[in-house]
Amino acid sequence: GAVVSQHPSWVICKSGTSVKIECRSLDFQATTMFWYRQFPKQSLMLMATSNEGSKATYEQGVEKDKFLINHASLTLSTLTVTSAHPEDSSFYICSADSIIEQYFGPGTRLTVT
Amino acid sequence: AQTVTQSQPEMSVQEAETVTLSCTYDTSESDYYLFWYKQPPSRQMILVIRQEAYKQQNATENRFSVNFQKAAKSFSLKISDSQLGDAAMYFCAYRRSKTSYDKVIFGPGTSLSVIP
Repeated sequence: GAVVSQHPSWVICKSGTSVKIECRSLDFQATTMFWYRQFPKQSLMLMATSNEGSKATYEQGVEKDKFLINHASLTLSTLTVTSAHPEDSSFYICSADSIIEQYFGPGTRLTVT
Repeated sequence: AQTVTQSQPEMSVQEAETVTLSCTYDTSESDYYLFWYKQPPSRQMILVIRQEAYKQQNATENRFSVNFQKAAKSFSLKISDSQLGDAAMYFCAYRRSKTSYDKVIFGPGTSLSVIP
């Protein structure tokens, strides 16, 4: 099956700094990628839809200036958490859309101290 | 707006027994896709089974099968011969179409424990 990678798998950063998370589709091209946030024991919450070559579409309540999304190629989307605060600590998951279905990355655990 | 509901936050099953996880959804669309995803402790999302609404036949994948009741907007997952590796969070999900841009809407999840 198709493989989606995320890097890093776990990152710790200090409050006020920025951190970038990469999402790559390894063996297929994805026009659309999705970014989710997941708190412990909760469901996936869609943050934004990332489209190659155009601006991301953010869900209501998601700060677009805080969560910067760039989809520069058909195999790479990045999520940058700017000026991170402890409340941004969470598990972030990306998925890449193929013709058939969405394939999920393994997730990135972000801890802001 | 479409919504997905899973009324069982937690379920448990004896190893080798059968368990059914419930899911209901709300939509005004006639054609759509329904999914069950498994999220084990590793947190990697794994597609368990997919159902296309226009297909009458219930989908099956080895020990996993669904009971799709379109009129009732119900989509339950049956796991037969439960194994220890089936212990995970299970999410029911809805997607309006296979077109890119269409997001997947997830239910709140059911935590399944398997008792040896």
